[in-house]
Parts: sequence; structure tokens; C-alpha cells
Amino acid sequence: GDSVTQMEGPVTLSEEAFLTINCTYTATGYPSLFWYVQYPGEGLQLLLKATKADDKGSNKGFEATYRKETTSFHLEKGSVQVSDSAVYFCALSDHADKLIFGTGTRLQVFP
Amino acid sequence: DVKVTQSSRYLVKRTGEKVFLECVQDMDHENMFWYRQDPGLGLRLIYFSYDVKMKEKGDIPEGYSVSREKKERFSLILESASTNQTSMYLCASSLGRRGSPLHFGNGTRLTVT
Repeated sequence: GDSVTQMEGPVTLSEEAFLTINCTYTATGYPSLFWYVQYPGEGLQLLLKATKADDKGSNKGFEATYRKETTSFHLEKGSVQVSDSAVYFCALSDHADKLIFGTGTRLQVFP
Repeated sequence: DVKVTQSSRYLVKRTGEKVFLECVQDMDHENMFWYRQDPGLGLRLIYFSYDVKMKEKGDIPEGYSVSREKKERFSLILESASTNQTSMYLCASSLGRRGSPLHFGNGTRLTVT
């Protein structure tokens, strides 16, 4: 069945460092892809999405490109801030429009 | 903005109790979902609903049931709570169009003792 694999955390960075969180997927058909973020004590919020191959989603300085050839949707940010510390989830929507999530990657940014 | 409200933030129940988790959304969304979140396992889908009075099993429905009598409300029921149901429960809703994102509530942390 469909699945999402993302890198294990925690990812620990200094402020202003470059961030990459890897995400790959397995799916039949052409799923939409998402990144969600969960700040401490809160529910998940949509960070960005892409609905077809080569689309780039972006928001708050984060970017991810839908790469069909490598079945990937890696999250990147050029300069992280302490306030970016959170758990990041990669997800895909399957043929029935349900979201399938990865296990999450915790990001810790230190000043 | 879409608002998804879960009735309780924290809940402590005893083994064997019947537990109701309530979720309300205010944007007339067609689809509603219940996930549980556990460390190292990510989010796992328990049940979902595409319309009033409709329900579909997700990946881990055992020990749970749901009710959707009105479009805006989706309830998760633990018929007889057990300690392995201690978890964070997240409700979400979506428009029901292909590629629509999910909008989540803040979660209910349930502890079963």
C-alpha cells in the first residue's frame, strides 16, 4: 500500500543553518504531497503542499519540490530560526483522499 | 480560518470505562477524520467519514467506534477503554476535493489508568 518514509530525528541545528528533512513516498497513481508542522502543545498545521510532479510548495521560507522520478518531497529552508523548532510530518493523499503520514521529524534549533 | 474544536484537552479515564471524544468543525467540511499519534509511529488513522451517518474504518479501528449524526460533529467512542489506548487523539476535517489539506484540532491527550 501507499506509504511515506522520512528521516529520523531529532535534527539539531544552530540558528541560520540550512535545513533539509528528507521524505520519500510509495504510491499508486499521482498523490498530492504535504508537509505539516506541529508546534509544542498544538495540533498539526499545513505548512505547504504540491499536487503534481515538479510543483514547488513554499511557505514561511520553507520549500519542497514534488519529484516524481525520485518519489521524493524533501523539505528545505535556507536559514532556520529558533521559532522553527517543531515536529515536521510529510504526508500523501491516497486514492481515497485520506492522508498517510510519515513518522515525523523533530527539529531543534539552538541560538 | 477553519476551526476544528476538540472538547477536551486532557482526559483521564479508568480501564473499562466508555469514553467519548467530541470534535466539531465550523466550515461545512464533508470529510472528518480521527487519528491517534504515538511517539515513533506518527499519525495512524482510526476512522473517517465522508458524509453524515457514513463511516469507514481506517488502519487501526479495533476497540473504537464513531458517530456522525450531524455534518459538523464527529465523535470517537472507546467502548471499553484499555491502557493501550493511552495516546494523543487528533481530529481533522477537509473539504473533500482531491488534494484538499486536512485541518486539525489541538488534540486530546487521553490517559487510561
